[in-house]
Amino acid sequence: EIVMTQSPATLSVSPGERATLSCRASQSLNSNLAWYQQKPGQTPRLLIYGASTRATDIPARFSGSGSGTEFTLTISSLQSEDFAVYYCQQYYNWPLTFGPGTKVDVK
Amino acid sequence: EVQLLESGGGLVQPGGSLRLSCAASGFTLSTYVMNWVRQAPGKGLEWVSSISESGGETHYADSVKGRFTISRDNSRNTVHLQMNSLRAEDTAVYYCAKRLPYGGSSGGFDKWGQGALVTVSS
Repeated sequence: EIVMTQSPATLSVSPGERATLSCRASQSLNSNLAWYQQKPGQTPRLLIYGASTRATDIPARFSGSGSGTEFTLTISSLQSEDFAVYYCQQYYNWPLTFGPGTKVDVK
Repeated sequence: EVQLLESGGGLVQPGGSLRLSCAASGFTLSTYVMNWVRQAPGKGLEWVSSISESGGETHYADSVKGRFTISRDNSRNTVHLQMNSLRAEDTAVYYCAKRLPYGGSSGGFDKWGQGALVTVSS
């Protein structure tokens, strides 16, 4: 099983600032990685797939990078609606696995 | 509009069974891999099971293997999750999710239902 880890567990950021979230896989995924956003009481929303491709209707301030075992989600200028929990997920191999999540909250 | 609507959740005793259904609309179900993902109260996301477009290939998390069965009826636009021998640790919101089409590094779940709460308790 591919183990996904995310850091930090919590990231405190002021609105307008840049946020950088990390995701690491226990083995290479090539680019088979997705990022999701989940707000309290809401369903997860796909942000990025293929490590760097924005999903439909996702704002350009969200960007993904990386390949292999190290991946990054960057939010260039945090808006109030971006405070949420962010999960990475690998779909390179079965079983599919999610990271534990990074909570982005207001500094 | 693409929609996924789960049903069948509820309270069940340990050792009991429950069948979740996911009604799909707004897209051709038979051309997509479908999935179940769960989220225990206050916890993160856990992938549970996936089924191929035709239903001929299924995959399960180790935590549910041998107890849960995923199936689909493309003619009725539905996906099911039969859950047997339920345990307290199966308590969670269960989401039905549609996978992006295969191609290159395309993947991830681009559409999720609202979820069905399953509570396993005596």
